[in-house]
Amino acid sequence: DIQMTQSPSTLSASVGDRVTITCRASQSINNWLAWYQQKPGKVPKLLIHKASSLESGVPSRFSGSGSGTEFTLTISSLQPDDFATYYCQQYNSYSTFGQGTKLEIK
Amino acid sequence: EVRLVESGGGLVQPGRSLRLSCAASGFTFDNYAMHWVRQAPGKGLEWVSGINWNSASIGYADSVKGRFTISRDNARNSLYLQMNSLRAEDTALYYCAKIRLGGYSGYDHAFDNWGQGTLVTVSS
Repeated sequence: DIQMTQSPSTLSASVGDRVTITCRASQSINNWLAWYQQKPGKVPKLLIHKASSLESGVPSRFSGSGSGTEFTLTISSLQPDDFATYYCQQYNSYSTFGQGTKLEIK
Repeated sequence: EVRLVESGGGLVQPGRSLRLSCAASGFTFDNYAMHWVRQAPGKGLEWVSGINWNSASIGYADSVKGRFTISRDNARNSLYLQMNSLRAEDTALYYCAKIRLGGYSGYDHAFDNWGQGTLVTVSS
């Protein structure tokens, strides 16, 4: 099975900061990677698919990059609405989620 | 508007069975693969199972293989998850999710729509 490891597990940042979350796969997943945002008590929201394709309606401050085994989600300028938990998901073989990164207000 | 509504959750004793359902509307159900994803209280997301549009391709997480069975009824626009031999560690909110790519023969893809979930609690 493909394992997905996110880092960091928790990230403290301020409004306006640029932040990056990393996701590593235990083997190559090509670019079959998605990023989700989940707020407390809410369902996950798709942000990015195919590693770097922005889902319709998602603000352009979100971007994704990477291929193979290492991927990043970048938020260029944090907004108050962005404080949430972020998950990566591989869908190269079955599906696996990372353990999540909680983005907190500093 | 895409709508996914899960049902069938509840409190069940270890070793017993439960069947979850997901009623879909607002899209052409038989054109999309569907999945079950679960989230234990206070924990992260865990993929459970996926099924392609015509049930020809199915996959399970190792943690549920041999105990859970996914199925769909395209005539009823419904997705199901039969859960047998339930364990305490199966306690979670179970989400039904739709992949974003229609007309895809497989089931491995990103999920663009999720239901609100149905809570399964396994406890004696």
